[in-house]
Amino acid sequence: GNSVTQMEGPVTLSEEAFLTINCTYTATGYPSLFWYVQYPGEGLQLLLKATKADDKGSNKGFEATYRKETTSFHLEKGSVQVSDSAVYFCALSGGESGGYNKLIFGAGTRLAVHP
Amino acid sequence: DTEVTQTPKHLVMGMTNKKSLKCEQHMGHRAMYWYKQKAKKPPELMFVYSYEKLSINESVPSRFSPECPNSSLLNLHLHALQPEDSALYLCASSQGRTGQQETQYFGPGTRLLVL
Repeated sequence: GNSVTQMEGPVTLSEEAFLTINCTYTATGYPSLFWYVQYPGEGLQLLLKATKADDKGSNKGFEATYRKETTSFHLEKGSVQVSDSAVYFCALSGGESGGYNKLIFGAGTRLAVHP
Repeated sequence: DTEVTQTPKHLVMGMTNKKSLKCEQHMGHRAMYWYKQKAKKPPELMFVYSYEKLSINESVPSRFSPECPNSSLLNLHLHALQPEDSALYLCASSQGRTGQQETQYFGPGTRLLVL
């Protein structure tokens, strides 16, 4: 079945450091891939997505490239801020036939950025 | 506008109470979802409605009863809950296009405490 594996956290960085959060997946067919972010006490916000191989999703300085050959969708940011402290979820959606989809989430990676 | 709203933000209830959670979206989406999220875990899918019909019930106990009165509204009726049901309940919606790999948009959640 489909699955998503994320690097375990917490990831602790200093402000302005480079961020990578690894995400790999197992899926049949051609899933869409997503990164969601959850700030403390809040719901999930879509951070970025990619729907086909070699697509790059980007938003708020974050980027991730859909790599089919390595089944990966790693999240990167060149310079993190304290305000980026949150939990990041990698997810995939395989597409369903019934007018909805099912998201498969990774376990989540907690990022803590200190000044 | 990609807003999904949920009320109430917080709810405390006893094990004999009956309460309801409400979710609303005005994006014209035809698929709506309920998730349960425990601390430090990813969201777990509970129910999916597609075009106001229940499409998925992930073996959720009958003390949780979903309802989709129209295409913009989704309710979750709660009755005789247990303390282990305490969690963040998230609602999401997506366009509902058949066979497409859609993006789900999440609400801020209702934090439920069962005493």
